[in-house]
Amino acid sequence: GENVEQHPSTLSVQEGDSAVIKCTYSDSASNYFPWYKQELGKRPQLIIDIRSNVGEKKDQRIAVTLNKTAKHFSLHITETQPEDSAVYFCAASMGRGSSYKLIFGSGTRLLVRP
Amino acid sequence: DAGITQSPRYKITETGRQVTLMCHQTWSHSYMFWYRQDLGHGLRLIYYSAAADITDKGEVPDGYVVSRSKTENFPLTLESATRSQTSVYFCASTAAGANVLTFGAGSRLTVL
Repeated sequence: GENVEQHPSTLSVQEGDSAVIKCTYSDSASNYFPWYKQELGKRPQLIIDIRSNVGEKKDQRIAVTLNKTAKHFSLHITETQPEDSAVYFCAASMGRGSSYKLIFGSGTRLLVRP
Repeated sequence: DAGITQSPRYKITETGRQVTLMCHQTWSHSYMFWYRQDLGHGLRLIYYSAAADITDKGEVPDGYVVSRSKTENFPLTLESATRSQTSVYFCASTAAGANVLTFGAGSRLTVL
């Protein structure tokens, strides 16, 4: 079936340390992989995304890597800060045309301890 | 974003009642989606739509009905609400070929 698995479900790090969240997807045809951040009581907001023709993408302290062969992709946050505390969701595109959709992982609650 | 709005933001209803959650976007995006968010389950896709009059089931469609007579609106109806449908519902949209989903502010539904 169409699914995305995300690990860990919770992650606690010390401020300044790095955080890594991993996802696997089921559909080998998936070609778009976004990451969303959701703060408490707010809507999910896109923080970074990667397409299947790219292996890695960086944006300041955030990076995403993609391994298409293994159907894995990961979010890396370096030099974590308390404001990075939130729930993070990975997603993978599935289907094309009228069946295009994004399937999300179950989320990772990141806590950055001051 | 003011471009995609959901209503109502909060709703309390009783088991067996019909409830409709509204979603309106001003960008003329082709694609619209409904997700529900429950603790431990992340965002699960209920229904989605590629254009007016084209809708399809997602991961958890049972108990829900959608329609899309106009591009800008994508209402979600619970025909006979159950307690298990207590959740936060998010509507999202994207333009054809754009991929990036923009979410509405969410509708928190409680079924007693």
